Amino acid sequence: AIQMTQSPSSLSASVGDRVTITCRASQGIRNELGWYQQKPGKAPRLLIYGTSRLQSGIPSRFSGSGSGTDFTLTISSLQPEDFATYYCLHDHSYPLSFGGGTRVESK
Amino acid sequence: EVQLVESGGGLVQPGGSLRLSCAASGFTFSSFWMSWVRQAPGKGLEWVANIKRDGSEKYYVDSVKGRFTISKDNAKSSVYLQMNSLRVEDTAVYYCARTEDGFYYYMDVWGKGTTVTVSS
Repeated sequence: AIQMTQSPSSLSASVGDRVTITCRASQGIRNELGWYQQKPGKAPRLLIYGTSRLQSGIPSRFSGSGSGTDFTLTISSLQPEDFATYYCLHDHSYPLSFGGGTRVESK
Repeated sequence: EVQLVESGGGLVQPGGSLRLSCAASGFTFSSFWMSWVRQAPGKGLEWVANIKRDGSEKYYVDSVKGRFTISKDNAKSSVYLQMNSLRVEDTAVYYCARTEDGFYYYMDVWGKGTTVTVSS
């Protein structure tokens, strides 16, 4: 099974900061990766699929990049509503698996 | 409005069974795969299972194989998760999610979740 390792597990940032979250796959997964945002007590929300494709309705400050084993989610200018936990998910092969999550907190 | 509503969660003893349901509305249910994802208390997300549009293909995480069964009733716009031989470690919030598995794979609509607690 493919393991997804996210880093950092948490970070502190301020509104307006550029935030970068990394996800590393234990083997190559081409571009078969998505990113999800989750706020406490809420269901996850799809942000990005296919590594870099922005889901409809998601602000353009979110972007994704990478291929193979290393992937990045970037928030270009952190907004108050972006404080949340972010997860990557690979869909390269079964079983699918999420990364451990990155909690973005207010500095 | 596109919506998913889960139900069927509750408290069950180890070794017991539970059947989760997820009712869909607002979209053509038969055109989509469906997935179950769970989240143990204070933990991250875990993909559990998914099922193809017509129910002909099903996939599971290793930890639930042989114990959980996913099924889909397109006539009722519902997806189910039959959970048998439940373990304490199955305690979690269970979410159903509409799933696209065409050129790209993603889960774009989620329910609010239903809580399963396995405890004696």
